[in-house]
Amino acid sequence: AQTVTQSQPEMSVQEAETVTLSCTYDTSESDYYLFWYKQPPSRQMILVIRQEAYKQQNATENRFSVNFQKAAKSFSLKISDSQLGDAAMYFCAYTRSNYQLIWGAGTKLIIKP
Amino acid sequence: ETGVTQSPTHLIKTRGQQVTLRCSSQSGHNTVSWYQQALGQGPQFIFQYYREEENGRGNFPPRFSGLQFPNYSSELNVNALELDDSALYLCASSLFRFGQGHWKNIQYFGAGTRLSVL
Repeated sequence: AQTVTQSQPEMSVQEAETVTLSCTYDTSESDYYLFWYKQPPSRQMILVIRQEAYKQQNATENRFSVNFQKAAKSFSLKISDSQLGDAAMYFCAYTRSNYQLIWGAGTKLIIKP
Repeated sequence: ETGVTQSPTHLIKTRGQQVTLRCSSQSGHNTVSWYQQALGQGPQFIFQYYREEENGRGNFPPRFSGLQFPNYSSELNVNALELDDSALYLCASSLFRFGQGHWKNIQYFGAGTRLSVL
C-alpha cells in the first residue's frame, strides 16, 4: 500500500528567509502525481504545487518550488522569501490515478516576524 | 476561493444519531470526493462520486454512505454515529474528462464541516 511520510511535525522560519519541508512516499507505481496542499486556520485545503512523476523537471509556482527525487521517493517543498501569510499546515499528498489522495500527517509552518 | 461550498460549518450530534453533510461542487466539475480529517492528522479518503455512482471507497464502514445529484452536488450520510466520527469532513470537487487515458483533475476543496459527536 502507498504511504506518505512527513517527518517534521513543525518548522519555523524567519520572515523573508527560505524553508524546506520534507516528504517521502512509498509506491511501486511508476506513474503518479504528488501535491503540496496548504491548510490555514480557515481549514480550506489550498493547492500549492503539483508534480507529475513522468516529468523530470521540478515544478515551480512563484515562491514555491519542489525537489522531486523519483528514485529516492522524495518530494520536498521549498518556500522562498517566506511571508506571514505562508503560516499554515502543509500536507504532502500522493495519488496514482488522481482520485484517491493519500496524505501525510502534515507539517506546521510558523513564520517569525 | 475554490467555489466548493459545504454546509453546515459546524455540527454537534450525540452518539447513535445520524447526520447528513452537504457539498456543492465548483461550476463545471463532475466529480466529488469526501475525506475525513481527525484532529492533528492528514485527511483520509472516504469515497468518490462520478456520474452519480460511487467510484472508489476508502477503508470506511457501510454506515458511511453518499449521494451525488444530477447537478453534481453531493451528500455524505453517517448513520449510528460514534465518538470517533468526530472530525473535519472535507469535500473536494474535480473534473474528469473521459477518454484522456488518465485522470487529469486537480481536487479543489471546500472549508469543511466540523462534526462533534458527544
